[in-house]
Amino acid sequence: DAGITQSPRHKVTETGTPVTLRCHQTENHRYMYWYRQDPGHGLRLIHYSYGVKDTDKGEVSDGYSVSRSKTEDFLLTLESATSSQTSVYFCAISGGFTGNTIYFGEGSWLTVV
Amino acid sequence: EDKVVQSPLSLVVHEGDTVTLNCSYEVTNFRSLLWYKQEKKAPTFLFMLTSSGIEKKSGRLSSILDKKELFSILNITATQTGDSAVYLCADETSGTYKYIFGTGTRLKVLA
Repeated sequence: DAGITQSPRHKVTETGTPVTLRCHQTENHRYMYWYRQDPGHGLRLIHYSYGVKDTDKGEVSDGYSVSRSKTEDFLLTLESATSSQTSVYFCAISGGFTGNTIYFGEGSWLTVV
Repeated sequence: EDKVVQSPLSLVVHEGDTVTLNCSYEVTNFRSLLWYKQEKKAPTFLFMLTSSGIEKKSGRLSSILDKKELFSILNITATQTGDSAVYLCADETSGTYKYIFGTGTRLKVLA
């Protein structure tokens, strides 16, 4: 168990509203990630973090921002949600006891209507 | 741009069959390739491969990496209905702890 908790697990929101997804880990892993998963596209990296306040963009970062003010929390924000951001969002971690193996949280299902 | 391509996209077999799933990659400064199984929820880790030609095995599943030809295969022998899932491979790019995934192979095993 890599000790990853995502919240909320399910959310329906309206177009144009801001949304924040939270990823919390309890094992002091250095690296944290946000992926989205859509049919036909597999898992695509949105942003990742390699330490407190250290983040970098992934393949599909447009429309998303992240923050990591503490080791244990990595927040993903959709500033103004659009229907194209309807997806399943997975947080993941690596580093520490996992070495360079990446482990996933249970996912957050977001629907933008 | 780093890229991971999996084939086939989907596969239907009968219980007892052997399947081979393919993963090819184009990356700068390869460090590791990982395989995952995803059923209804989050992907679960199967194997990590870093050295060419070394086979990793776990029960009926095995995987091997060819660093010269830039691909990996995942074999499942004596398939069972519980093997039905999407199988994902991922590459770590440039030793950065940044992982790029393929689109996955959807395997369905019929009883």
